[in-house]
Amino acid sequence: EPEVTQTPSHQVTQMGQEVILRCVPISNHLYFYWYRQILGQKVEFLVSFYNNEISEKSEIFDDQFSVERPDGSNFTLKIRSTKLEDSAMYFCATSSVRSYNEQFFGPGTRLTVL
Amino acid sequence: LAKTTQPISMDSYEGQEVNITCSHNNIATNDYITWYQQFPSQGPRFIIQGYKTKVTNEVASLFIPADRKSSTLSLPRVSLSDTAVYYCLVGVGGNTDKLIFGTGTRLQVFP
Repeated sequence: EPEVTQTPSHQVTQMGQEVILRCVPISNHLYFYWYRQILGQKVEFLVSFYNNEISEKSEIFDDQFSVERPDGSNFTLKIRSTKLEDSAMYFCATSSVRSYNEQFFGPGTRLTVL
Repeated sequence: LAKTTQPISMDSYEGQEVNITCSHNNIATNDYITWYQQFPSQGPRFIIQGYKTKVTNEVASLFIPADRKSSTLSLPRVSLSDTAVYYCLVGVGGNTDKLIFGTGTRLQVFP
């Protein structure tokens, strides 16, 4: 069964450093998403991406965050200057159609900001 | 997007049927009802989606009454591996990208 993969599984960084989280979507999927989950809290939507541009983003997704699909396969989330409160699990998800439908989530990257 | 209310937690034993009910009183005409499952330290996983009446797949059944103000996820004969958080989501098909997760129902299955 095809699946979404994410790297790294765990990233530890110092406050103020830049991090890039990577996702490899399911091959025929065209819609990509990032969510995050702070420990013990809800899964929160960050951003959706289609046709090389952001289609929707949440209030959390401020200027410190950016997404891109640099090589047509990987889908990345960059946090320019990490803060302590960015510590969370970050999940990439993909879907074949743009709908309130089945999104396939990756295993997540645990980001720890010290 | 319609707000959902579901129990914070439920306990069950292996082999029992588990029914998790979700209230969504202000569901809109175009909204679908979707359930996701999340194991600890993993991403959510789609279980089932419906619009009205009953939907069944290999994992679960979803019962939606005529007024659609609630829905019930039914898990037949649960096992220990069904211990997870179950989320009920309500939203408009085709008009939004984002999934809005609530706090979900934490199901604990005991041997």
